[in-house]
Amino acid sequence: GQQLNQSPQSMFIQEGEDVSMNCTSSSIFNTWLWYKQDPGEGPVLLIALYKAGELTSNGRLTAQFGITRKDSFLNISASIPSDVGIYFCAGRVNSKLTFGKGITLSVRP
Amino acid sequence: DAGITQSPRHKVTETGTPVTLRCHQTENHRYMYWYRQDPGHGLRLIHYSYGVKDTDKGEVSDGYSVSRSKTEDFLLTLESATSSQTSVYFCAIRTSGRAAAGNTIYFGEGSWLTVV
Repeated sequence: GQQLNQSPQSMFIQEGEDVSMNCTSSSIFNTWLWYKQDPGEGPVLLIALYKAGELTSNGRLTAQFGITRKDSFLNISASIPSDVGIYFCAGRVNSKLTFGKGITLSVRP
Repeated sequence: DAGITQSPRHKVTETGTPVTLRCHQTENHRYMYWYRQDPGHGLRLIHYSYGVKDTDKGEVSDGYSVSRSKTEDFLLTLESATSSQTSVYFCAIRTSGRAAAGNTIYFGEGSWLTVV
């Protein structure tokens, strides 16, 4: 079946630093979505990407839909303590969504 | 929050008992989903619905059934709960648009189920 690869499992950065996360697959997707999940909460949509090559920003977050349609990345600039959480990528084909296993981001003050 | 409400938010039940989780949406979306989230596995699709009385299985559907008798409600039932079904369950809806843009999936706040 389709799988999305996110690594590493955890990332530790200093407040103020930029961080980049990749999501790769051997399958092609029509939509890429990036979510953030805080403890005890549901995933919250950060950015949605609909076309190959699309680059979209949401405040300090920037994400791109890979040209091959098999990957996407998320950048967070000037990190702050509230950026702590689990970041999931998801790829959609037709009505089904496939999720990566997430990257836990820690931000040191 | 895309108007999604899950109930109950927390439940402890005994092995072998039936359990029903409810997902309610207020925005008339056609597609609704049930996922479970477990450490090391991430989010996995249990069942989804593409309309009233129209449902299909996901990757981990064994031991679960669903029903959608109204657009706004999507019910997930564990006929006889087992300890392996202890998990966090998330309902999701898919918005729709004329083009690909607008087809985005939003999640509810989750239902924590413990089977003892």
